[in-house]
Amino acid sequence: GQQVMQIPQYQHVQEGEDFTTYCNSSTTLSNIQWYKQRPGGHPVFLIQLVKSGEVKKQKRLTFQFGEAKKNSSLHITATQTTDVGTYFCAGSSNDYKLSFGAGTTVTVRA
Amino acid sequence: SQTIHQWPATLVQPVGSPLSLECTVEGTSNPNLYWYRQAAGRGLQLLFYSVGIGQISSEVPQNLSASRPQDRQFILSSKKLLLSDSGFYLCAWSGGSNEQFFGPGTRLTVL
Repeated sequence: GQQVMQIPQYQHVQEGEDFTTYCNSSTTLSNIQWYKQRPGGHPVFLIQLVKSGEVKKQKRLTFQFGEAKKNSSLHITATQTTDVGTYFCAGSSNDYKLSFGAGTTVTVRA
Repeated sequence: SQTIHQWPATLVQPVGSPLSLECTVEGTSNPNLYWYRQAAGRGLQLLFYSVGIGQISSEVPQNLSASRPQDRQFILSSKKLLLSDSGFYLCAWSGGSNEQFFGPGTRLTVL
C-alpha cells in the first residue's frame, strides 16, 4: 500500500533560523496536504497542493509539491516560538483516504 | 459553520472492559468520517472510515469496531480492551474539498 515517509523526525531550531521538513511517497499522489498539531492538541489543516511543481506560501511557510507528485516540502523562515508543534504531511491517491507521514516535531530555542 | 465533537476527552479503562467513543459533526451533510489512533509521539494510524450511513471500511485488523448509525454520528467500540489499545483517538470529517477536520480527540489509557 501507499507509504508516506517524512524527515526529519525531530527538528530543534534556534529562534529566527529557517528549516525544512521533507515528505516522500512510494506512489504518485493526486494531492498532498499539510497539518500542524500543537502539543496536546489535534491536527489542524494547513494547506493542500494538487498540481505538479506547485508552490504555495502562507506568511513564513512555503509549501512545495514535486514535479513527479511523489514528494513535498515545508520550509519555514525566521522560526518563531509559535511554530512549535508537529507538522504532518498526508498524501492521497484518488480515494477518500489520507496516508499520514510520521511527522516532524519542531522545538524552538529562544 | 461546521463543528465536530468528540467525547469523552479522557478515559481510563481496565483491561477487558468495553469501550464506546462517540463523534458527531454539525453543519454539514453526508460527510466522510474517519477514526484515527495516535500513539504517544507518533503519527496517525487510520482505523476506520465511512462514506455513508452503515458503510464502514476497516484499515487495520484489531479488536475495535466502528458504526455509523446516523449521517453525522460515528462510533468507535470495543468489547474487550487490551493494553495496546491505549492512545489518542481522533475523529475527523471531510467534504468535497478533501481536507480533513479533526475533533479534539479522546485520550484513552488502558490499565
